Amino acid sequence: DIQMTQSPSTLSASVGDRVTITCRASQSIRRWLAWYQQKPGKAPNLLIYESSSLESGVPSRFSGSGSGTEFTLTISSLQPDDSATYYCQQYDTTSPTFGRGTKVEIK
Amino acid sequence: EVQLVESGGGLVQPGESLKLSCVASGFPFSSYSMNWVRQAPGKGLEWVSYISSGSSTIYYADSVEGRFTISRDNAKNSLYLQMNSLRAEDTAVYYCARDGGYSGYVYNSWGQGTLVTVSS
Repeated sequence: DIQMTQSPSTLSASVGDRVTITCRASQSIRRWLAWYQQKPGKAPNLLIYESSSLESGVPSRFSGSGSGTEFTLTISSLQPDDSATYYCQQYDTTSPTFGRGTKVEIK
Repeated sequence: EVQLVESGGGLVQPGESLKLSCVASGFPFSSYSMNWVRQAPGKGLEWVSYISSGSSTIYYADSVEGRFTISRDNAKNSLYLQMNSLRAEDTAVYYCARDGGYSGYVYNSWGQGTLVTVSS
């Protein structure tokens, strides 16, 4: 299986900060990467698919980039509602795998 | 509005079986592939199984291959997961998840989850 490594595992930032989360794949996944946001006790919510395509209804402060093995999720101006855990997911194979998550806290 | 409602979770002993169900509404269920994704308590997400819209293609994670069986009944707008020979490491919240029409594995709709606890 393709391993997905996210960093950092936790980050703390202030409202209005620009935040970047990195996801690395153990082999090339072309652009087949999605990002999800999950709040405690809730199901995940799709933010980004195909590396950089914004899911309908997701605020434009979220953006994604990357290809091959290195990808980033950026929140351009962190908002209080963005406090959550973020997961990357590769779907280049018929055995999709997720990263371990990045917990974003608001200072 | 898309809705996915799981049921069937509970407490079982190691080696026992359980069948999860997911009832879908608000979209043409028979046109979408479906998946099960699980999350152990305090842990990350793990894909479990995939079934195509017409049930012709099915995949499983290695961790459940041979023990779990995914199925669907398009006439009843329902997705199932039959889980046999359950182990402690199968303890998790199980979500049914609908592909967003992008690839089969990008989930833009999720149920609320049903908790399966395997313990003696």
